[in-house]
Amino acid sequence: GQQLNQSPQSMFIQEGEDVSMNCTSSSIFNTWLWYKQDPGEGPVLLIALYKAGELTSNGRLTAQFGITRKDSFLNISASIPSDVGIYFCAGQLYDMRFGAGTRLTVKP
Amino acid sequence: DSGVTQTPKHLITATGQRVTLRCSPRSGDLSVYWYQQSLDQGLQFLIQYYNGEERAKGNILERFSAQQFPDLHSELNLSSLELGDSALYFCASRSGTGVTEAFFGQGTRLTVV
Repeated sequence: GQQLNQSPQSMFIQEGEDVSMNCTSSSIFNTWLWYKQDPGEGPVLLIALYKAGELTSNGRLTAQFGITRKDSFLNISASIPSDVGIYFCAGQLYDMRFGAGTRLTVKP
Repeated sequence: DSGVTQTPKHLITATGQRVTLRCSPRSGDLSVYWYQQSLDQGLQFLIQYYNGEERAKGNILERFSAQQFPDLHSELNLSSLELGDSALYFCASRSGTGVTEAFFGQGTRLTVV
C-alpha cells in the first residue's frame, strides 16, 4: 500500500518563527490534505490540494502539492502558541493514508 | 463541529470482551473510513466503506470487523480485546464523489483493562 513519510517528527520553535514540514510518498496521489490534531480531539482539516503544482494559503498556512504528485509541504509563518499540536499530511487516491505526524511545540 | 458523530466518546472494558463503536457520517457522505491511533502515534488506516461496500482494507486485525448500513452509518466491532487495543478510534467521512476532503469525528477512546 501507499507509504507516506512525514518529517520532521517533532519541532520545538520560538513564538514568531516560521515552520516547514513535508510529506513524501512512494506512490502518486490525486489529493493532498493537511490536518491538525489537538490532544484528545479528532483531526481538523487545514488545507486541501487538488492539482499538481497547486499552492494554497489559509491565513498563516501555505501548502503545496508537488509536481510529481508524490510530495507536499506545509509552511506556517509567524507561529503563535495556539499552533501547538500534531500536524498530519494525508494522501488520497482511492483511500486515504496518513503520515506519522509532526508534533509542534511553540515556546512563548 | 465536523458533522461526523461517533459514539460512545469513552469506553472502558475488560480483556477478552467485545465492543461496538458507531459512526454517523456527515449528511450525504457515502464513504466512511476507520482509523486507530495509539498513544502518541499516528493514524493507522483500518478499513474504508463506500455506500455499504468494503472499498479498502488497511492493517485491520482479524479480531476486528466493520460494516456500513443502508442508512450509511458504520460500526466497528472489536472482539477478544487485548490491552494493546487501547487507543483512540476515529472515523472520517467523505462524499465519495469526485475529489473531496474527509472530515473526522471526535473519536472513541477505548481503554482495555
